[in-house]
Amino acid sequence: AQSVAQPEDQVNVAEGNPLTVKCTYSVSGNPYLFWYVQYPNRGLQFLLKYITGDNLVKGSYGFEAEFNKSQTSFHLKKPSALVSDSALYFCAVRPEGYSTLTFGKGTMLLVSP
Amino acid sequence: DSGVTQTPKHLITATGQRVTLRCSPRSGDLSVYWYQQSLDQGLQFLIQYYNGEERAKGNILERFSAQQFPDLHSELNLSSLELGDSALYFCASSGRDRGSPLHFGNGTRLTVT
Repeated sequence: AQSVAQPEDQVNVAEGNPLTVKCTYSVSGNPYLFWYVQYPNRGLQFLLKYITGDNLVKGSYGFEAEFNKSQTSFHLKKPSALVSDSALYFCAVRPEGYSTLTFGKGTMLLVSP
Repeated sequence: DSGVTQTPKHLITATGQRVTLRCSPRSGDLSVYWYQQSLDQGLQFLIQYYNGEERAKGNILERFSAQQFPDLHSELNLSSLELGDSALYFCASSGRDRGSPLHFGNGTRLTVT
């Protein structure tokens, strides 16, 4: 069965510093990987996805993610954090042969001024 | 705005009651997904419909049921409600391509008292 792990419940970073939110996955076959962000009282918003090709994918709001097949990781990154980036971030995987997404438990990102 | 509409936004009801949550997918999307988000369980997949047919089933209780109508809107029916059913219920829709991300509505917050 597929699974997604986000090892950090919370990540704290100062505004202007780089941020990383970690995600590892376990799935058979070639996965499709996604990152979502959730602001309070809102639904999940799609940030970016990895399907195939370049291991570094760029998404919305200056976020990017690096796919590492050997480490089965898909970490979310941003070179310079903003206070407005503070939110709950979810990593998700869609295995081959499946149409649904399996989500990690989420990581709260807090960016301090 | 994701284009996915969920109603109502909030629902407060008593144990043992039955409620219906409604979802209108993005224009052109044939797949509709239902997810439950709670503090202890995280984001759990319930069920998926594709063009009116059930496509995948997740951790959906027997007390819960769903359907997708010819106009592609979907309804999630929750019956014999228990306190533990209190959660955020999200609907999402996607295109048919495996790489298509899910687009989420803003959810229905259900409180069972």
